[in-house]
Amino acid sequence: GAVVSQHPSWVICKSGTSVKIECRSLDFQATTMFWYRQFPKQSLMLMATSNEGSKATYEQGVEKDKFLINHASLTLSTLTVTSAHPEDSSFYICSARAGQGIRETQYFGPGTRLLVL
Amino acid sequence: DAKTTQPPSMDCAEGRAANLPCNHSTISGNEYVYWYRQIHSQGPQYIIHGLKNNETNEMASLIITEDRKSSTLILPHATLRDTAVYYCIVIPRGGDRKLIWGLGTSLAVNP
Repeated sequence: GAVVSQHPSWVICKSGTSVKIECRSLDFQATTMFWYRQFPKQSLMLMATSNEGSKATYEQGVEKDKFLINHASLTLSTLTVTSAHPEDSSFYICSARAGQGIRETQYFGPGTRLLVL
Repeated sequence: DAKTTQPPSMDCAEGRAANLPCNHSTISGNEYVYWYRQIHSQGPQYIIHGLKNNETNEMASLIITEDRKSSTLILPHATLRDTAVYYCIVIPRGGDRKLIWGLGTSLAVNP
């Protein structure tokens, strides 16, 4: 159980275009999902917390107008990288919070590798 | 900043137990210890978590010291597929419960 999927797994786009990444919890409902970014040889950096039915909460230094997050249902959150530039090339990973109390755990998707040319 | 410290790298022979330490000396009473691992170019995989009692599941065992200031993740019979970066993270109950990632321990399982 507790499977999280991401689509696409990799994407190459031209500079200036927008890219949408989907994150789905397949066998559970998630009121809270998270979006991370990971550059080579670095650890995961939290970008934003996505709450179903409300606005996302962004970490300091993350531009909310550039990284649009929508969490319209309990099983789907989307991250749109608007007007992508080469410096946005990275590994984007989502996670979803499952369970309650002592069983609460975050489960991660397989990641989406973005390359902006 | 991460609230845990881990050795940057470790080696283990295939078939032997891998014991990965983690120091969390400033852990609070309401914080759980979670372990994840990340195999190259994949998303992190949940392994196990605990509060103060030792825990075991099909993947690993978690040993938490009585004062809760450190813990050890044990992979009882390491295989080549266990080669990954292992992260120890403390997460409170309540509040935003965000995961703060350190650099983890890069475990190499050798044939």
